[in-house]
Formats: sequence, structure tokens, C-alpha cells
Amino acid sequence: EVQLVESGGGLVKPGGSLRLSCAASGFTFSTYAMNWVRQAPGKGLEWVSAIDGTSSYIYYADSVKGRFTISRDNAKNSLYLQMNSLRVEDTALYYCARDLDSGGGYWGQGTLVTVSS
Amino acid sequence: SYELRQPPSVSVSPGQTARITCSGDALPKKYAYWYQQKSGQAPVLVIYENSKRPSGIPERFSGSRSGTMATLTISGAQVEDEADYYCYSTDTSGKKVFGGGTKLTVL
Repeated sequence: EVQLVESGGGLVKPGGSLRLSCAASGFTFSTYAMNWVRQAPGKGLEWVSAIDGTSSYIYYADSVKGRFTISRDNAKNSLYLQMNSLRVEDTALYYCARDLDSGGGYWGQGTLVTVSS
Repeated sequence: SYELRQPPSVSVSPGQTARITCSGDALPKKYAYWYQQKSGQAPVLVIYENSKRPSGIPERFSGSRSGTMATLTISGAQVEDEADYYCYSTDTSGKKVFGGGTKLTVL
């Protein structure tokens, strides 16, 4: 059974940093591109970042470029999102999502990030 | 920046056909995907590559594309289909984007 479990969310002040993690199981992690997608309270889905299976290709939404860094450790079946210079508008539920661009799309349950003073 | 446009809401009675549209300039060249998100739950893929249905998704869910518009059709909508539906695609440079979402009401 495919499982994606996010962790690392919490309350942080504007300008602060957080590192999100996503633990994957039930599939060959290294063969799949992975994504972070966020959803602000009561709002729609916003794609944040993507990384291919070998970390050769990395993409960011304009809204987070230069502040967020995506990475993965295939030996640990884990995906990460380092978030720096956090803003109030980064407050959202952050989902780890497998391979949005195929029939294998699968999402975790999300981890909540709240940026507030 | 690239946008995918969806109607904010669609309402049907149980057993009727619900159609949710998604409009985007790159859709003639890029696949559309559809996600269902029920209240308090993570999104679930219901249609991929314009018209393919993942295993486990009921046959009443179908997808199509014509020009710059993709359409999710739910034939004989059930009360349990009430959810937010999001289309997803990429622009010609590969940047990924979700539509604004459509709230489907079945009552």
C-alpha cells in the first residue's frame, strides 16, 4: 500500500524557517518524481515544487523561488522541503504528492504550517 | 502567468449528469488531470491524461478535451460525489498549475 506521511509543520514567526519531511513507503521511491503542493485555509491547491527521481530536475513556483529548497534522499525514501524567510502568506497545509504528471498520482494527508507573529 | 479557469460551483440533483470545465491556453498540447477533494481529506486522482480513469474510480467519472477546454463528466452523480474538483496541467514551459477548483453540490 502506498503511504506518504508528512511531518515538520508547526507555528513559526515571519522570517523564520521550517523543514518539512515526507516519508514514503509501498512503492519504489527512487523511480518517481515528487512534489510539494499547498492549500491555504479555505483556498484552492497551489503547486509549490517538484523534483525528479534522481534530483536532476528541480522546479519551483515563482511564489517560493529563492526561499524554499526541495530535496530527496532515496536511501531513506524521504522527500524534504526547506522553507526559509517564511511569510504570513505561506500559511497552509503542505501536501507531499507523488508524480502529478501520470496516472500514479497519490497524496499524503498533509502537515500544517502556520506563519504568525 | 499561466492559468486554468474553472467555474466556482456546479449543482445537480442525484442521478443527473454533472459537467465541470477547465479552460487553459496550453491544453491543446498538454494533458489535463482531475482531482477530487472531499471535505477534510487529501485530493484523489479521478482522471489522468485527459480521459483515463485510475483503477478503483467508478465508471461514472469520465474526461474529455476539446481545444483549450477539458471537461470532467460525472454521469448519474451520487450524493457521495459532492466535493471540490481541481483540474491540473502544465504550461508550455513545464510549469505546473492547478485550476481554482469547482465545488460540486449534489442535492
